Amino acid sequence: QVQLKESGPGLVQPSRTLSLTCTVSGFSLTSYGVSWVRQPPGKGLEWIAAIWSGGSTDYNSALKSRLSFSRDTSKSQVLLKMNSLQTEDTAMYFCARLPYYYPDYWGQGVMVTVSS
Amino acid sequence: DIQMTQSPASLSASLEEIVTITCQASQDIGNWLAWYQQKPGKSPQLLIYGATSLADGVPSRFSGSRSGTQYSLKISRLQVEDPGIYYCLQGYSAPYTFGAGTKLELK
Repeated sequence: QVQLKESGPGLVQPSRTLSLTCTVSGFSLTSYGVSWVRQPPGKGLEWIAAIWSGGSTDYNSALKSRLSFSRDTSKSQVLLKMNSLQTEDTAMYFCARLPYYYPDYWGQGVMVTVSS
Repeated sequence: DIQMTQSPASLSASLEEIVTITCQASQDIGNWLAWYQQKPGKSPQLLIYGATSLADGVPSRFSGSRSGTQYSLKISRLQVEDPGIYYCLQGYSAPYTFGAGTKLELK
């Protein structure tokens, strides 16, 4: 069955770089895209980025300069890096499968706290 | 970027009541709209895609409609398992954007 699982450091110091991994199973990254969505505590959903089945990428306009997005199809992994972290980047980070523009299957999320 | 204005921010309704949530797009997005339900501590669940198509396994009391650039999610008969936060998502052009969410509670 389709599964996505996020992994990451949990706690990151301000100004450092966050690296998150989404490991997928039950589908191929060459057939489906993957997006990242985050949710600060008690707040709404924010779309971060997408990597499509052909490998092209799209980014949130406000975050674009701080993001890099790649994938390793042999490992079924999608990698997201965000630099210059600030406290406002504290959030639950979700990855999700993209059959088209809309995510259908979601991971359980990974909580990232930015704090010294 | 396309803005999605969602209303109301919160509402309280009784069992079996009809509930309607709306999203107004800042420009034409066609039918490139999806709706999600999120319960506390859980990932969002897809309800509607293509503005009107019901996702697999979603009860038929949920429905989506469109009038111009205004999109609506309707719950025809509110059930005890329906409270949560509902979000719209536009997928017409990147960067894709969510509405701010509607918190639905049982009265």
